[in-house]
Amino acid sequence: AQKITQTQPGMFVQEKEAVTLDCTYDTSDPSYGLFWYKQPSSGEMIFLIYQGSYDQQNATEGRYSLNFQKARKSANLVISASQLGDSAMYFCAMREMNFNKFYFGSGTKLNVKP
Amino acid sequence: DAGVIQSPRHEVTEMGQEVTLRCKPISGHDYLFWYRQTMMRGLELLIYFNNNVPIDDSGMPEDRFSAKMPNASFSTLKIQPSEPRDSAVYFCASSLGGGAPETQYFGPGTRLLVL
Repeated sequence: AQKITQTQPGMFVQEKEAVTLDCTYDTSDPSYGLFWYKQPSSGEMIFLIYQGSYDQQNATEGRYSLNFQKARKSANLVISASQLGDSAMYFCAMREMNFNKFYFGSGTKLNVKP
Repeated sequence: DAGVIQSPRHEVTEMGQEVTLRCKPISGHDYLFWYRQTMMRGLELLIYFNNNVPIDDSGMPEDRFSAKMPNASFSTLKIQPSEPRDSAVYFCASSLGGGAPETQYFGPGTRLLVL
């Protein structure tokens, strides 16, 4: 089974609107962390947001928020008020603390339309 | 603060040649990771180190690939001999260990083209 699943290969959103990028994960490790990274066309990997498995509240960082639903094993990224500069690939990732394993999803390509 | 530093940024070589990629992690970080990214296979973890010791190298594709971390501030990924299918972007990342999962910070990557 896939450890990290991103079911949306590509997404379009209108500038200034909100968009949700889906991510589901699979783990039996009770301690894990979930991450989202942005990769613009220039190629660098930029850390956006982190959610720990024991965190009670959803993580937020500026316009980014992580909709963490532990029972459903989902960690969707919500970008509010989309900007043209948000056009990029977005990767969901997981680190299993006890198993010392790291996994990345296949990514979602987001295009923000003016 | 300097981020993760990788060199070279671009490398073009011929099949059969040895390739050495270099990485300097963020000072104080005790985890170092090597990834490979291709269109076909996405982002793959090749190997990672904790306190300079290789912990998991199960992602290393074959014996042609080797990685070392002689000290806390330097790591190399070597491919010998290189093949065209090794063409990819190779990322190095580092993170601070501890009891909670820590964010990995990526270097700019090395774009490798093997002709």
